[in-house]
Amino acid sequence: EILLTQSPAILSVSPGERATLSCRASQTISNHLTWYQQKPGQAPRLLIYNTSSRATGTPARFSGSGSGTDFTLTISSLEPEDFAVYYCQQRSNWPLFTFGPGTKLDVK
Amino acid sequence: QLQLQESGPQLVKPSETLSLTCAVSGVSISSTDYYWAWIRQAPGKGLEWIGTLSSAGTSYYNSSLKSRVTMSPDTSKNHFSLRLTSVTAADTATYYCARAPLRLQGLEWLLPDHFDFWGQGTLVTVSS
Repeated sequence: EILLTQSPAILSVSPGERATLSCRASQTISNHLTWYQQKPGQAPRLLIYNTSSRATGTPARFSGSGSGTDFTLTISSLEPEDFAVYYCQQRSNWPLFTFGPGTKLDVK
Repeated sequence: QLQLQESGPQLVKPSETLSLTCAVSGVSISSTDYYWAWIRQAPGKGLEWIGTLSSAGTSYYNSSLKSRVTMSPDTSKNHFSLRLTSVTAADTATYYCARAPLRLQGLEWLLPDHFDFWGQGTLVTVSS
């Protein structure tokens, strides 16, 4: 089973600054890496799929990158609505899907 | 407009069976462009994939739950269901249904690798 770890668990950043969230896989995965945003009381929302493809409606300030075992979600300039929990998810070995534990993005 | 709506009992007794339905509107669950999934989230915890259902009705389950889970479609009602038997307090969670799109890469259709649309979720508590 491929495990995902996310770091840091909590990231405190000021609005307008850049945020970099990390997701690491326990073994090499293809580009089946996805990022979701979840706000309190809401369902997760798809942000990025296929490592770097923005979903419909995802602002351009969100970007995804990475390969192998290391992947990154970058938010170039934080808006107030970006403070939330972010999960990565992989599906390298069909049909198994796994999620990372999440990174909480907090206002500094 | 696409909508996914979970429904079912909010309280289930230990050892009994949890049954939920996801009503889909805006797209047919028989569409070959999509698979359908259940994902859960225990209070204050992360996300756990439960299983995925193909448009043809083939189901795939998380190995940790496989012996207790059944997912099935009802194309006449355009909904799909989740049954989880022998529940314990550890099954207390918000249960989400979601859509998983196939993706065209070049000339090849790839099996789903993400969930692009989610229901609002329903909290199920296991307690006597």
